[in-house]
Amino acid sequence: NAGVMQNPRHLVRRRGQEARLRCSPMKGHSHVYWYRQLPEEGLKFMVYLQKENIIDESGMPKERFSAEFPKEGPSILRIQQVVRGDSAAYFCASSPSTNTEAFFGQGTRLTVV
Amino acid sequence: QQQVKQSPQSLIVQKGGISIINCAYENTAFDYFPWYQQFPGKGPALLIAIRPDVSEKKEGRFTISFNKSAKQFSLHIMDSQPGDSATYFCAASVFSKTSYDKVIFGPGTSLSVIP
Repeated sequence: NAGVMQNPRHLVRRRGQEARLRCSPMKGHSHVYWYRQLPEEGLKFMVYLQKENIIDESGMPKERFSAEFPKEGPSILRIQQVVRGDSAAYFCASSPSTNTEAFFGQGTRLTVV
Repeated sequence: QQQVKQSPQSLIVQKGGISIINCAYENTAFDYFPWYQQFPGKGPALLIAIRPDVSEKKEGRFTISFNKSAKQFSLHIMDSQPGDSATYFCAASVFSKTSYDKVIFGPGTSLSVIP
């Protein structure tokens, strides 16, 4: 059973471009969580999704950021018109249900130049 | 009130020594306190967790101590090894509501164990 797969592992974007980060949850997991990690900071929750639904997006900036988890395919975190401050490691985690442990992917390191 | 504080920010320990990382919280509703270990280039992985019905939990060389009245908990790594070098995050949540959007993470401690 493969773990949570994130791609790409590293992504470089110029200011103003779009960044698309993908997360394939573990098999049988229908709950996906996205986090952002800045240097010397902990994991900051961004958004919680179940298949085709956004459950909690309270940690996601209102502008330029969006997330989806379609019926088929990976979850996507999209950042439009990236700025230097978006440079960070973005992690997703998945779980089979609520009240169960979530497992993290290896992250996508986004660098905005 | 949702914050989890963690110290030290970084820690250097000699091989065989004891590594101690401390965390504190404000929200008295928190009743689940996991610790995560993150190696460079990897995602965090659950290491050990405690609920406040016990004051200590031990798994191998890793021990969580919990002080409910002080709202503090700590991770002790006994006989620290170079392979323990990683970043450690404490976290807190309300167990009955532990979907991961409700888990609050501390800022992390970078541990280096030197031979």
